[in-house]
This record gives sequence, structure tokens and C-alpha cells, in this order.
Amino acid sequence: GQQVMQIPQYQHVQEGEDFTTYCNSSTTLSNIQWYKQRPGGHPVFLIQLVKSGEVKKQKRLTFQFGEAKKNSSLHITATQTTDVGTYFCAVTSSNTGKLIFGQGTTLQVKP
Amino acid sequence: DVKVTQSSRYLVKRTGEKVFLECVQDMDHENMFWYRQDPGLGLRLIYFSYDVKMKEKGDIPEGYSVSREKKERFSLILESASTNQTSMYLCASSPAPYHNSPLHFGNGTRLTVT
Repeated sequence: GQQVMQIPQYQHVQEGEDFTTYCNSSTTLSNIQWYKQRPGGHPVFLIQLVKSGEVKKQKRLTFQFGEAKKNSSLHITATQTTDVGTYFCAVTSSNTGKLIFGQGTTLQVKP
Repeated sequence: DVKVTQSSRYLVKRTGEKVFLECVQDMDHENMFWYRQDPGLGLRLIYFSYDVKMKEKGDIPEGYSVSREKKERFSLILESASTNQTSMYLCASSPAPYHNSPLHFGNGTRLTVT
């Protein structure tokens, strides 16, 4: 079945450094969603990308959808301790139409 | 704001017990989902429902069943709980169409089966 690979699994950064997580699929995606889960919390929807090459920004967060619609990235500029958590990508399976989540990238930020 | 409420935050059950996890959403969403979350495995879909009395298997339905008698309520049932079902269970809802609508999650139920 369709799988989505998310890397890295963990990332430790110093506050103020940048952070990027990547989501890769072997098949063309119709769309991709990004979620953030704070420690002890539940996933919260951040954004959805639909168009090839699309770039969207939310303050210090930049989301990008690849030209071939097979990969996506989430980049955080100048991390803060409030950015701590696990970031998940989620894609719609072309076979079943169901939403499939990546394994997540857990971000730790050292003050 | 969408609210998805799961009946219990923490639950401890014994092996072999029948377990009910309840989820209620207040935004008239058509779609409801049950996921389990385990370290290193991300979120895995157990069952989902796109309408009242309709249900579809997700990726890991074995050992589980669901019930959706009313639009706002989606129940997950563990017929005979086993220790490998110890996990965090997350309920979510979304408006139609489900393949490109954001999910709204509840706070989760951490189930321990002893």
C-alpha cells in the first residue's frame, strides 16, 4: 500500500536555529496536510497544500509542496521553545482515499 | 471552534474485558475516525465512518469494532482487550469530503491493558 516516509525522526536544535522536516512519497499526491502535536497533546491541523510547487507561510513556518507532488517540507526559521512537539505530514492514499500519516518528526529546542 | 470530546483521558482494563471508547463531536461533521498512536509508528487508522451506520476498516481493524448510531457519536469497541492494545487512542472528525478535509482530534484516551 501507499506509504509516506518522514525524516528525520528526531531533531534537537538550539533555540534560534532553523529546523526542517521532510515528507516523501513514491507516488504522486493529490494533497498533503501538516499537523503539530505538542507533548501530552493531540495533533492540530496546520495547513494543507494542493498545488504543484506551492509555498505557504505561517509566521516563521514555511510549507512547500514539490513540483512533482511527491514530497513536501516544513521549515521553521529561528526556532523557539514553543515550537517543541511532533510534526506529522498526512497524505491521501491514491488507492483507498484514506488519510495516511507519516511517522512524525519530534523537535526538541534547547533554550 | 470544533470540539471533539473523548469520554476518558486515562483507562485501565484487564485482559479479556470488553472496552468501550466513546467520542462525540459538536460540529455536525460527516466523517469520524479512530486512530491509535504508538511511539515510532505514528498514527494508524483503525476504523472510520463517513455517515451514520456506515463504517469502513482502516489499516489495523483486527480486534476492534465500531458503532455509529448517531451522527455526532462514534464508539470504538475492543471485544476482548489484550495487552498489545495498550496505546493512545485518538478520535477525529472532519467535514465531507474526507480525502481533503482537515481532521479535528480529541484529546485522546490512554488505554492500559493489564
